[in-house]
Amino acid sequence: GAGVSQTPSNKVTEKGKYVELRCDPISGHTALYWYRQSLGQGPEFLIYFQGTGAADDSGLPNDRFFAVRPEGSVSTLKIQRTERGDSAVYLCASSRTGGPNQPQHFGDGTRLSIL
Amino acid sequence: QQQVKQSPQSLIVQKGGISIINCAYENTAFDYFPWYQQFPGKGPALLIAIRPDVSEKKEGRFTISFNKSAKQFSLHIMDSQPGDSATYFCAALGNQGGKLIFGQGTELSVKP
Repeated sequence: GAGVSQTPSNKVTEKGKYVELRCDPISGHTALYWYRQSLGQGPEFLIYFQGTGAADDSGLPNDRFFAVRPEGSVSTLKIQRTERGDSAVYLCASSRTGGPNQPQHFGDGTRLSIL
Repeated sequence: QQQVKQSPQSLIVQKGGISIINCAYENTAFDYFPWYQQFPGKGPALLIAIRPDVSEKKEGRFTISFNKSAKQFSLHIMDSQPGDSATYFCAALGNQGGKLIFGQGTELSVKP
């Protein structure tokens, strides 16, 4: 597609459940990023992939959060044992490379609600 | 040191006026500064970006002014329109690339 695609657009689940959020980056973009945006705040970095490998995962809040990008294209963010505090919009972005001066292009996010 | 501070938190401007949003940073390793526009329910959309080797960049009604010595930069929206009503985020990227650091956002409302 022309832009970054994220599915589902909305996800409602119960506390303690496992969720997977998917991101399909712009075709040909080697770098992929996950951010989390709470209401009224700017996006906060979670993890960055260059190709298949995680180049920087310093933003993952704890070991319940994990992300993969096995073929260097689509990425999945996985959250185990969800907590109410995980409720937020999860944004994915991609850029042509992960180097300096590279504009990052965002999808519309997955709005995750933990009941 | 990783923070980007943005102000004001909210801004109301009359149609045709100039909207000004300011950001400041501490980390001198930042060397790419994009601005994003976000509408409710949508992801941030890249508006305009600048590097510190220039003091100003203009694209249509949108201008970034950059003051490297003060470590400050600002977005000016000329002839503001109701359709510009959105939340605006400044951001900064380090010279190695990777993660963007975002400001807290400014909710702009342009009154007709």
